[in-house]
Amino acid sequence: AQTVTQSQPEMSVQEAETVTLSCTYDTSESDYYLFWYKQPPSRQMILVIRQEAYKQQNATENRFSVNFQKAAKSFSLKISDSQLGDAAMYFCAYRNAGNMLTFGGGTRLMVKP
Amino acid sequence: EPEVTQTPSHQVTQMGQEVILRCVPISNHLYFYWYRQILGQKVEFLVSFYNNEISEKSEIFDDQFSVERPDGSNFTLKIRSTKLEDSAMYFCASSPPDRGTGELFFGEGSRLTVL
Repeated sequence: AQTVTQSQPEMSVQEAETVTLSCTYDTSESDYYLFWYKQPPSRQMILVIRQEAYKQQNATENRFSVNFQKAAKSFSLKISDSQLGDAAMYFCAYRNAGNMLTFGGGTRLMVKP
Repeated sequence: EPEVTQTPSHQVTQMGQEVILRCVPISNHLYFYWYRQILGQKVEFLVSFYNNEISEKSEIFDDQFSVERPDGSNFTLKIRSTKLEDSAMYFCASSPPDRGTGELFFGEGSRLTVL
């Protein structure tokens, strides 16, 4: 079974600074997807960024980018120019060739003004 | 933009009562899911559904749970006899027939409180 590990239960960043959230996963498959979801206090799951395992280029979405290290099974999220609205729970998630999504335990990000 | 919708947003029930949570997936999607998140904990997979049958389920999804697609648009999760530990946020999700971007599209969740 796949496992997803987020080793940082909480992180804090100053507004306008950069923060990196860590994620590692365990799989024997070569074809899969990785995601970062944001969950604000409203509790809705919002997709932040996705990465296909077969793509070597790291995904980027505006202020959000990933560092995908396939051999190391690492998938970190970098948030640049942090904003107060970035404060939320962030979940790393893995989807295999089937349809099941496995989530990590989450990292609570606090943004200080 | 099409979205997954869930009702009710919040339901309070007494232990032992039956609860039905409803979801309307995105119309051209064929894979449907229920996930659960107990307060302060990780999001856990319950069940996936395709072609009118369960394709995968977790050990959480025991005989007290059932899913149904009664009318071609709704996708429901029924809990027959609720327990205190069923209190959680329940998320419905759907995904398109091809893998596309691989993304699951989530609804806003239904908060269930069992007293």
